[in-house]
Amino acid sequence: RKEVEQDPGPFNVPEGATVAFNCTYSNSASQSFFWYRQDCRKEPKLLMSVYSSGNEDGRFTAQLNRASQYISLLIRDSKLSDSATYLCVVNPFTGTASKLTFGTGTRLQVTL
Amino acid sequence: EAQVTQNPRYLITVTGKKLTVTCSQNMNHEYMSWYRQDPGLGLRQIYYSMNVEVTDKGDVPEGYKVSRKEKRNFPLILESPSPNQTSLYFCASSLFSETDYEKLFFGSGTQLSVL
Repeated sequence: RKEVEQDPGPFNVPEGATVAFNCTYSNSASQSFFWYRQDCRKEPKLLMSVYSSGNEDGRFTAQLNRASQYISLLIRDSKLSDSATYLCVVNPFTGTASKLTFGTGTRLQVTL
Repeated sequence: EAQVTQNPRYLITVTGKKLTVTCSQNMNHEYMSWYRQDPGLGLRQIYYSMNVEVTDKGDVPEGYKVSRKEKRNFPLILESPSPNQTSLYFCASSLFSETDYEKLFFGSGTQLSVL
């Protein structure tokens, strides 16, 4: 089983739609969680951290379910500019970035 | 502007010809790392460095070397490139602070093709 698993997609949604992605992780001791966004062939950029209580940043909401070992990303009112690949990142340790584990990403395509 | 600069952006080479991909950051970050990204495999860490003169292997270090002589620079060296090292490479850095150490800043990538 992969350490971090994501549905590769693509998720094709019309502009204005709400879309959600899940990401499962295998290490129950994982400490921290993130979503990165990556445009085609460009560098990943941090989108948001995922906190235990859930957190929101504008149209984006991230949630963590430790019992079922998954994190989710919800995008409301999708824009064309949201088209990208969303990478789930898990850190099994605290205090170091050296063990960050990346999922293979979920591709989102928002259409008119 | 705060950034991680990688060069070159694209590189085509032949098997066995030594090459270096440079990486430089201007944010005074302690932590730097190299990743390669391949379809279906995601980002995999090659080497990382916690600070000057401190480097360690990541998940896929075979065929690569690194050095960290200065805080800002972390070059990736392929002594004898092979076709299976054809990939998209990213350098990343982060600040060693209690809240920011996991927030990676990536360079714009180097697409390497080894023929």
